[in-house]
Amino acid sequence: EPEVTQTPSHQVTQMGQEVILRCVPISNHLYFYWYRQILGQKVEFLVSFYNNEISEKSEIFDDQFSVERPDGSNFTLKIRSTKLEDSAMYFCASRTLGASGRTKNIQYFGAGTRLSVL
Amino acid sequence: GENVEQHPSTLSVQEGDSAVIKCTYSDSASNYFPWYKQELGKRPQLIIDIRSNVGEKKDQRIAVTLNKTAKHFSLHITETQPEDSAVYFCAASKDSGGYQKVTFGTGTKLQVIP
Repeated sequence: EPEVTQTPSHQVTQMGQEVILRCVPISNHLYFYWYRQILGQKVEFLVSFYNNEISEKSEIFDDQFSVERPDGSNFTLKIRSTKLEDSAMYFCASRTLGASGRTKNIQYFGAGTRLSVL
Repeated sequence: GENVEQHPSTLSVQEGDSAVIKCTYSDSASNYFPWYKQELGKRPQLIIDIRSNVGEKKDQRIAVTLNKTAKHFSLHITETQPEDSAVYFCAASKDSGGYQKVTFGTGTKLQVIP
């Protein structure tokens, strides 16, 4: 079964450094998402991306965050200057464009990247 | 925006008993309600979902019910097994011109005691 893959599984960085989290969505999917989950808390929406542009973003997704689809397979989340409170698990998800059928709404999640900001 | 409330936050049941997790949502335009199971340190996995035109859906030991009028939906697990132990998240979403944002509940930690 196709999977969303994320790299690295764990990223440790110093406060103020830039990090790039990488995701490879499922190949025929066209909608992409980033979520984060602070330890012990719920999963929170960050941003959705379609047709090479952001379609929606949350209040968490400030100007320190950016997303990019640099080629036909990768989808990245960049944090320009990390803060301690950015420490969390970051999940990428993707969804197909199916107009109908059971798979239309399902978002498939990657295994996550644990970001630790020291 | 959408707000999803989930109860209880923790739930302990004896193996073989049933478990029920309840959620409410605020946006009447939400039309898709997935449930995710997350084992420790792993990704959320979709276990069942329900659309707003359906009141109940069942898949083996798992069932979901939806009351659109009251904006309530629930997850029912029957004949619980130790491997059901995990954190369960309800969620609500709606299609907005093809875009979709999933709003998660706060999670229920289910412990099934052998």
